[in-house]
Amino acid sequence: EAGVTQFPSHSVIEKGQTVTLRCDPISGHDNLYWYRRVMGKEIKFLLHFVKESKQDESGMPNNRFLAERTGGTYSTLKVQPAELEDSGVYFCASSQDIYNEQFFGPGTRLTVL
Amino acid sequence: AQSVTQPDIHITVSEGASLELRCNYSYGATPYLFWYVQSPGQGLQLLLKYFSGDTLVQGIKGFEAEFKRSQSSFNLRKPSVHWSDAAEYFCAVGPGYSSASKIIFGSGTRLSIRP
Repeated sequence: EAGVTQFPSHSVIEKGQTVTLRCDPISGHDNLYWYRRVMGKEIKFLLHFVKESKQDESGMPNNRFLAERTGGTYSTLKVQPAELEDSGVYFCASSQDIYNEQFFGPGTRLTVL
Repeated sequence: AQSVTQPDIHITVSEGASLELRCNYSYGATPYLFWYVQSPGQGLQLLLKYFSGDTLVQGIKGFEAEFKRSQSSFNLRKPSVHWSDAAEYFCAVGPGYSSASKIIFGSGTRLSIRP
């Protein structure tokens, strides 16, 4: 069974550009989460989807970040326009339900120059 | 407020030596507790978790952790480390009995192994 996959593994963009990160959860997992780790600090929750609906988006830093999950399958996280402080590693995770283990992807390292 | 503290940013131990990584948490209810490991170029992997029951939890790769409610701690231990254990380790809490689903992570402890 394939794990959580994320694309790209690394993205380097300039300030003001747009970047879209993609996450493919484990098949059959209705719950999908985004987290990020900025500047070697703690990993912080961004948002949580249940199928295609946003269950909790309390961690989204501002309106430059837009997450979608079309059809309840894969999810995208768009940053527009990117700022220097957005640099970090963006993790995606999925789980069958909120009381079971979240399986994490390898992350996307975003560098904004 | 819910939080997790890992007081050690970086630890170096000799191969074959014992290891203990510290973790303290602040949580309003009985927490679900986790330890994750991230090896270079890899995603976060769950080492072990505590939901209830026996406070000494066994995990993968020979790791164990002990939940101490009185100390709000969930320290990770291994009796003899291997060079392949070099990685970053994260303690985390949640989701618990509340409707919250997010995991709250500590800032991580980087483990280096001395040959």
